[in-house]
Amino acid sequence: DGGITQSPKYLFRKEGQNVTLSCEQNLNHDAMYWYRQDPGQGLRLIYYSQIVNDFQKGDIAEGYSVSREKKESFPLTVTSAQKNPTAFYLCASSIDLGVGAQEAFFGQGTRLTVV
Amino acid sequence: GDSVTQMEGPVTLSEEAFLTINCTYTATGYPSLFWYVQYPGEGLQLLLKATKADDKGSNKGFEATYRKETTSFHLEKGSVQVSDSAVYFCALSEGDSNYQLIWGAGTKLIIKP
Repeated sequence: DGGITQSPKYLFRKEGQNVTLSCEQNLNHDAMYWYRQDPGQGLRLIYYSQIVNDFQKGDIAEGYSVSREKKESFPLTVTSAQKNPTAFYLCASSIDLGVGAQEAFFGQGTRLTVV
Repeated sequence: GDSVTQMEGPVTLSEEAFLTINCTYTATGYPSLFWYVQYPGEGLQLLLKATKADDKGSNKGFEATYRKETTSFHLEKGSVQVSDSAVYFCALSEGDSNYQLIWGAGTKLIIKP
């Protein structure tokens, strides 16, 4: 089945440690995204990538880093510089609808808790 | 810039009631419009979409019509079920948004039996 796989579903880390969240897609989509979601809140864009070896900062990139070495993979590292990293992280990819618009497909999310 | 405004939640209804969740947008061009649904602890799923004015998207009993004259894409369902309880997000995408989707804040829907 085609889709987006995020792992792990739950992640616990100690304060001050870097942690990497995995996101893999087999949909052959060019564009991929990372969003952060806090309880009762909407989506905030962290980073996005339109093609391999290229990515752009979103609205809340500080304290995060990404790489896009393969089309299928877009890992997110939450660094110790991120002041409040506990949140639900969502990875997405998108397909071009051919009218200048993108339709997004989401993974199941990773809930990160920093203690 | 582009933006999406949704009605604030939570919206609480009884089972079999009629549902409307309002969504309005501002855009520089001719966006495609989407409704996504998020069940607790899960990612978002596409519920329906419309890519041009007057298109109606529909799925699982939900409908929304792309109204360019009122810049709206309101979500409706004739008879809701407890299983429809979730958070609903309205979103738009267009060529001018540089691959980004613009999201509404989400509306939490609670259906009571």
